[in-house]
Amino acid sequence: EAGVAQSPRYKIIEKRQSVAFWCNPISGHATLYWYQQILGQGPKLLIQFQNNGVVDDSQLPKDRFSAERLKGVDSTLKIQPAKLEDSAVYLCASSLDRLGGLAGTYEQYFGPGTRLTVT
Amino acid sequence: AQSVTQLGSHVSVSEGALVLLRCNYSSSVPPYLFWYVQYPNQGLQLLLKYTSAATLVKGINGFEAEFKKSETSFHLTKPSAHMSDAAEYFCAVSDRGFKTIFGAGTRLFVKA
Repeated sequence: EAGVAQSPRYKIIEKRQSVAFWCNPISGHATLYWYQQILGQGPKLLIQFQNNGVVDDSQLPKDRFSAERLKGVDSTLKIQPAKLEDSAVYLCASSLDRLGGLAGTYEQYFGPGTRLTVT
Repeated sequence: AQSVTQLGSHVSVSEGALVLLRCNYSSSVPPYLFWYVQYPNQGLQLLLKYTSAATLVKGINGFEAEFKKSETSFHLTKPSAHMSDAAEYFCAVSDRGFKTIFGAGTRLFVKA
């Protein structure tokens, strides 16, 4: 089966510009995650979708970050305006978890990530 | 609230030596625990997971981990390191409520 697809793989922008990342999860996976991974750190959850509804966005900087998952399939993450501290790898992951099922038992499948550099 | 602590940001072993990567967790409910591996410029890949069945969990590439409730630990081991094991390893804990917390990671170096 095809894995989690992300694009672009690399992006360089200047501060105060905007940028968008795209993710296509594994077919049939109900849950989609966006993580921010700063160099030398573990992934930090930004937002989690269950189908097209938001489950957790408590760590999403909502003044500049937004995300959507229309039709419960692919998703976009946007940053506007970008700051220097947004330089990181943005990882998308998906899992089979479904509401009412055994939450958290299914492993997450990660895409290759988008490396963002803000200058 | 959950948390994960990985002891040692870098571990270096010789090829053929034992690999031991340490992970301690905190969780208010019985946790699910995971180890992921990340190779350069790639996403994370699941190595193994503990979901309240056997406490000794075997994963891919010869890795295994043992869940020790009394020590709140889930250390990752491999009897004999291979050069291809050089990567970053992440321990993660899930509270079964959809939230997964990742540790800061341990970079494994394997010397020839």
